[in-house]
Amino acid sequence: KNQVEQSPQSLIILEGKNCTLQCNYTVSPFSNLRWYKQDTGRGPVSLTIMTFSENTKSNGRYTATLDADTKQSSLHITASQLSDSASYICVVSRLNSGYALNFGKGTSLLVTP
Amino acid sequence: DTGVSQDPRHKITKRGQNVTFRCDPISEHNRLYWYRQTLGQGPEFLTYFQNEAQLEKSRLLSDRFSAERPKGSFSTLEIQRTEQGDSAMYLCASSSKQGKPYEQYFGPGTRLTVT
Repeated sequence: KNQVEQSPQSLIILEGKNCTLQCNYTVSPFSNLRWYKQDTGRGPVSLTIMTFSENTKSNGRYTATLDADTKQSSLHITASQLSDSASYICVVSRLNSGYALNFGKGTSLLVTP
Repeated sequence: DTGVSQDPRHKITKRGQNVTFRCDPISEHNRLYWYRQTLGQGPEFLTYFQNEAQLEKSRLLSDRFSAERPKGSFSTLEIQRTEQGDSAMYLCASSSKQGKPYEQYFGPGTRLTVT
């Protein structure tokens, strides 16, 4: 069973609208949680990294939240742009095992004009 | 460009052939990782190097797969006797023990198609 589950699997929104992507994880003990953006045919690019003590982090129009108690994270995208169309992957690292990342399957986001 | 580079970007090969991919990490990054990503899935960890030492290998890395990082700089991933199930995107990432230790920077990937 995947230790990182993301929802929805795919999402279509109109340009300018906001959206929120969800990530639930069971990885333990927890070290950090990352959100990556992956354009089709390209490698993932880091958006945010949060440790246990951080419950929110922003990167421009992207805001990630973390609830380590419920083991949930969300990525909120504000005022979406066509260039936001990509796969968004939630990645959780286990304590003392930082090199073996646990990846979710990603949420495929399509922003339409 | 000072990012992670991978070569080739695309490789089409016939089943049974051997293939080799190269990854050049960001300069001075001592840690290098290989991942495999199939369509619609997130990347899966394959192996990890710290300098020239291969410190971890996933069970996904069968005996047909071998990775090297001979001088602690670039790395190669070789797949022998390729199978159709090997078709995937092979991603390389690197990180530094300085600055942001958690940050892994990914290359653009090598897409392998086994026919």
